[in-house]
Amino acid sequence: GAVVSQHPSWVICKSGTSVKIECRSLDFQATTMFWYRQFPKQSLMLMATSNEGSKATYEQGVEKDKFLINHASLTLSTLTVTSAHPEDSSFYICSASPPRVMRETQYFGPGTRLLVL
Amino acid sequence: GQQLNQSPQSMFIQEGEDVSMNCTSSSIFNTWLWYKQDPGEGPVLLIALYKAGELTSNGRLTAQFGITRKDSFLNISASIPSDVGIYFCAGRETSGSRLTFGEGTQLTVNP
Repeated sequence: GAVVSQHPSWVICKSGTSVKIECRSLDFQATTMFWYRQFPKQSLMLMATSNEGSKATYEQGVEKDKFLINHASLTLSTLTVTSAHPEDSSFYICSASPPRVMRETQYFGPGTRLLVL
Repeated sequence: GQQLNQSPQSMFIQEGEDVSMNCTSSSIFNTWLWYKQDPGEGPVLLIALYKAGELTSNGRLTAQFGITRKDSFLNISASIPSDVGIYFCAGRETSGSRLTFGEGTQLTVNP
């Protein structure tokens, strides 16, 4: 199956600093990647859709200036949490879809645990 | 917006028992996906369904795409301790649209 990686797997930072999370599709090219956030014992919440070569599409209620997304290549999307605060502590997961017109699916990365102190 | 109801929320079973969970949607979906998530990990795709009525197996797992296109179920036969985890259904209304996730089913298997 398709493989998606994330880096780092966990990060601890001080309040007010920025954190960058990378998402890579290792064995396929992805024109679209997705960023989710998951709080303990809850389901995945879509934050934004990352489009290669164009601006990301953010879900309602997600601040685009706080969660900067850059999809610079067909295998890499980055999420930068700017001026992080304790309430941004969460599990961030990316996903990507191999280019299949009729049988789309999404493969997820292993997630990044962010703790803001 | 669309809603996806997944049930049950949790299950406590004995090793060897069969398990069934399901999802229902307020909208018609053209894709149903079932994932398993272990603690601290990303969801792993178990089964993908693309056609109403489709029945697909993956080892001890079987999932079906409901003929109304508004529901799907996942069955696990002869459960084992490593089946423990959270199972999520996810559906997509149209090609290229976002996935909607269920709230998850927490499965506990007692040896």
